[in-house]
Amino acid sequence: GQNIDQPTEMTATEGAIVQINCTYQTSGFNGLFWYQQHAGEAPTFLSYNVLDGLEEKGRFSSFLSRSKGYSYLLLKELQMKDSASYLCAVREGHTGRRALTFGSGTRLQVQP
Amino acid sequence: NAGVTQTPKFQVLKTGQSMTLQCAQDMNHEYMSWYRQDPGMGLRLIHYSVGAGITDQGEVPNGYNVSRSTTEDFPLRLLSAAPSQTSVYFCASSYSARETQYFGPGTRLLVL
Repeated sequence: GQNIDQPTEMTATEGAIVQINCTYQTSGFNGLFWYQQHAGEAPTFLSYNVLDGLEEKGRFSSFLSRSKGYSYLLLKELQMKDSASYLCAVREGHTGRRALTFGSGTRLQVQP
Repeated sequence: NAGVTQTPKFQVLKTGQSMTLQCAQDMNHEYMSWYRQDPGMGLRLIHYSVGAGITDQGEVPNGYNVSRSTTEDFPLRLLSAAPSQTSVYFCASSYSARETQYFGPGTRLLVL
């Protein structure tokens, strides 16, 4: 099975940088995803890491350390529209279903 | 492409009633899945399918049935609705189990 932990809530200021951490314990690993979910909407894909290191995509970056079971999502130049929940999800590697296991999500509030 | 579509958007049921949540995608994706999202618990996998004619159980399958007669459609059936099934249901699809999943807009279900 898998266990994924991320902070429940975070607050940051417009224009600043925020880092959302995710730790996981898994019996098999085949990739880590970050999704963004605005209130009342569907999750939308942000990033994917399967190898150690940093993946950068515009204002968003995601980091993975497989040996530590740790990832973070870095949001730069925060905008009000970045207020949303950020979901960390780990994909199983050793079963046929390749299911995603999601953390409970981190609700980010961006303040002016 | 319409992407992943779900109907209905909202539904109220009485305990014991049955209904089908519809999910369709027009991207020729092989892999489809159903999740439920409850406050503080993240997304949990109900059932998934790796292709037409093939389905399997996820983390929380009890009380739900699925079928996959075509590549495009993956309906979720509630056999006898219970208040514990009050939730938001998301359907997702991807080219394969290895690829990023894309989510539909969700169905909000209230069971009284």
